Amino acid sequence: DADVTQTPRNRITKTGKRIMLECSQTKGHDRMYWYRQDPGLGLQLIYYSFDVKDINKGEISDGYSVSRQAQAKFSLSLESAIPNQTALYFCATSDVPSGAGGGEQFFGPGTRLTVL
Amino acid sequence: EDQVTQSPEALRLQEGESSSLNCSYTVSGLRGLFWYRQDPGKGPEFLFTLYSAGEEKEKERLKATLTKKESFLHITAPKPEDSATYLCAVQAGSNDYKLSFGAGTTVTVRA
Repeated sequence: DADVTQTPRNRITKTGKRIMLECSQTKGHDRMYWYRQDPGLGLQLIYYSFDVKDINKGEISDGYSVSRQAQAKFSLSLESAIPNQTALYFCATSDVPSGAGGGEQFFGPGTRLTVL
Repeated sequence: EDQVTQSPEALRLQEGESSSLNCSYTVSGLRGLFWYRQDPGKGPEFLFTLYSAGEEKEKERLKATLTKKESFLHITAPKPEDSATYLCAVQAGSNDYKLSFGAGTTVTVRA
């Protein structure tokens, strides 16, 4: 079974609708992330969470919100979807880096979201 | 602000034709440079982390190297299954969580 799972894998919705994307992990990592990927651009960080009570905005948080329901679950919501939120969305997890090492993030399979 | 530039944007290779991908970075105090592979419709798959200039890591036909300004991903005698987009990311300074990604290099290997 995959270590990081995302649901749904594909979603088509209309402008103004509320959408929730879900992420679950079995890696036992404390840190979880949501990224957005657009063609020709690097992955951009939307939100990140160091634990259930520690949630932080990333580079492009406007129009998004998140909820960390448990160590293993981190969901992303679009309160009122708009067409320029059409993109690939990825959830990722990481362990807490130890010393000078670590930092690797492990990604889920992604959700392709289309907002009409 | 951390900057990561990957070149070329796309690379078409014949099977067996070795080549290199470049990742140039501008950061203040590199903590780590990460290489990922991404197949169409899938999430990035972790390949390597490099921490200091001069470091090298290998996995099958892939070899990653690091200098103070750039990293190279060498693909030796590629096969069609090496076709993918290769992403480079950096982590720097006091930040031990945020990855700054380049836009990637899409490699196509023809049989």
